[in-house]
Amino acid sequence: GQQLNQSPQSMFIQEGEDVSMNCTSSSIFNTWLWYKQDPGEGPVLLIALYKAGELTSNGRLTAQFGITRKDSFLNISASIPSDVGIYFCAGTRSYNTDKLIFGTGTRLQVFP
Amino acid sequence: DGGITQSPKYLFRKEGQNVTLSCEQNLNHDAMYWYRQDPGQGLRLIYYSQIVNDFQKGDIAEGYSVSREKKESFPLTVTSAQKNPTAFYLCASKPGTGIYGYTFGSGTRLTVV
Repeated sequence: GQQLNQSPQSMFIQEGEDVSMNCTSSSIFNTWLWYKQDPGEGPVLLIALYKAGELTSNGRLTAQFGITRKDSFLNISASIPSDVGIYFCAGTRSYNTDKLIFGTGTRLQVFP
Repeated sequence: DGGITQSPKYLFRKEGQNVTLSCEQNLNHDAMYWYRQDPGQGLRLIYYSQIVNDFQKGDIAEGYSVSREKKESFPLTVTSAQKNPTAFYLCASKPGTGIYGYTFGSGTRLTVV
């Protein structure tokens, strides 16, 4: 099955820095979702995007649905230690399916 | 509070034994899913069920089996035919059609020795 390409694979940053990560696909996606997974837990939904060009914020998090519909970006501003975890993008290629395709994840470490 | 419960959190089994992972939800969700997660990889779909008594294979169904006898329960059996069963297994559910409301359980880490 297809998986989305997510980069970077891992990031090590200092508290207070901004973070950017992205997700790309060779085919068009109709929805993009961003999840965060804490160690040993299930993913939790952060932001959902439903149309090309959409820019949505959730606190310090901002995500965008790429104009080409083949990519999405997640930015975290002013990182804090509790931002540590794995961030996954996910999406669907068709409006007629509810099966999510997941990215490979970006592992974020935040140092005080 | 409503949610998805996966049990146990950690499971150890000997090679060649079948093992069943539990997934229960009290969200009244119609659809339920099983994913496998390996280090450095995204989630891969094993099986899913959109209604009771019906389920479909996902991308990596070989060596796994499921049942959906009740709306709230979707157990996954990892059989001896699964060549590399050690992994983190996640169950998810959602209300109906579309992607709105996808909710994950906290996972079961299976180690086969």
